[in-house]
Amino acid sequence: QVQLKESGPGLVQPSQTLSLTCTVSGFSLISYSVHWVRQHSGKRLEWMGRMWSDGKTSYNSAFTSRLSISRDTSKSQIFLKMNSLQTEDTATYYCARSYLSVTGNVMDAWGQGASVTVSS
Amino acid sequence: DIQMTQSPASLSASLGETVSIECLASEGISNDLAWFQQKSGKSPQLLIYGASRLQDGVPSRFSGSGSGARYSLKISDMQPEDEADYFCQQSYKYPYTFGGGTKLELK
Repeated sequence: QVQLKESGPGLVQPSQTLSLTCTVSGFSLISYSVHWVRQHSGKRLEWMGRMWSDGKTSYNSAFTSRLSISRDTSKSQIFLKMNSLQTEDTATYYCARSYLSVTGNVMDAWGQGASVTVSS
Repeated sequence: DIQMTQSPASLSASLGETVSIECLASEGISNDLAWFQQKSGKSPQLLIYGASRLQDGVPSRFSGSGSGARYSLKISDMQPEDEADYFCQQSYKYPYTFGGGTKLELK
């Protein structure tokens, strides 16, 4: 059974760094990409970046240089690190699996989400 | 960035009714379009990918169509469990972008 589960602190202080972990099961990180997507309280979804199956990364330029995605394949984990957090980074953060089909990228499984509040 | 304009923002439907939700991209996206359903407090679930391909396990009353920059999701025979938010998403170009969502309620 394919599962993804996000974990991390629920509260982060402004200007600090957010660290989240996505632990996956039921599939291999060397066969699928994993994305990070966040959702603000107004329900707007925002794609942040992805870890490809070959270990390369792609990022949304909106996050410039403050976002980093990495992985540990031996632990089936994907990591998100984002620095200089501001209140507008308050959101639910999801990791999602994807594969490439003949029709393009398919994000077919999502984690339950990790709620993050940026506040002092 | 490709802008995804989704309409309507909300709608209500009676049991058994057919509804449509539209998504207009700011440029052609070559059918690289997915639809997601999100129920209250849950994560998004894939319904349709490649504009018209039904994800395994999704009821056949959901269907997708479109081409170029204009796409739509049709829900036939509205059921109580279809009450949810619906989002379109393009993965044609980075950054992947989502529509603003449509809230579907049972009348």
